[in-house]
Amino acid sequence: QKEVEQDPGPLSVPEGAIVSLNCTYSNSAFQYFMWYRQYSRKGPELLMYTYSSGNKEDGRFTAQVDKSSKYISLFIRDSQPSDSATYLCAMSRAYGNNRLAFGKGNQVVVIP
Amino acid sequence: DTAVSQTPKYLVTQMGNDKSIKCEQNLGHDTMYWYKQDSKKFLKIMFSYNNKELIINETVPNRFSPKSPDKAHLNLHINSLELGDSAVYFCASSQDLTGDRREQYFGPGTRLTVT
Repeated sequence: QKEVEQDPGPLSVPEGAIVSLNCTYSNSAFQYFMWYRQYSRKGPELLMYTYSSGNKEDGRFTAQVDKSSKYISLFIRDSQPSDSATYLCAMSRAYGNNRLAFGKGNQVVVIP
Repeated sequence: DTAVSQTPKYLVTQMGNDKSIKCEQNLGHDTMYWYKQDSKKFLKIMFSYNNKELIINETVPNRFSPKSPDKAHLNLHINSLELGDSAVYFCASSQDLTGDRREQYFGPGTRLTVT
């Protein structure tokens, strides 16, 4: 079983729709959770960074962490064509070397 | 200002050659990392340095050797390049190795093609 599971998609939505992405993980030691956005041929860009369970909102983006279910989500409201990218979840343990375990990435296409 | 920069952006070389990729961060971070992204876009850690000390050395061939001359720089040298080394290599940095300032910021990547 992989440490982090993420359905690669692709996911196509009309402009203005809510995009819902999620990852599951197997290691209960993960405490720090991140979402990255990666445009084609660019580096991953940090979108959201959360610690432990709970919600975090930043503009049109909301990240949720449910440690009891080992499940994290990213929601994008009022999606725009510029949101078309690959979204990667990543997580690390509370202690140790801060090695990030990544999901495979989820390709999102927002159709104008 | 570019936070994490890498050179070169593209690298095309032949099998058997030796090449280096350079990374610099101007964020004042203590920890730097090298990741490899394969053709399926999966990102995997290779190395990390904290204050010039090697912290992570994943199972990579010893043809790959990182070097950190100072906290702001982390270079990757690859000897005897093989076809399977073709990938995109990303450098990243974080303020801390532990604690809450551990989020990692990535560079633009170096696309290595071995022919």
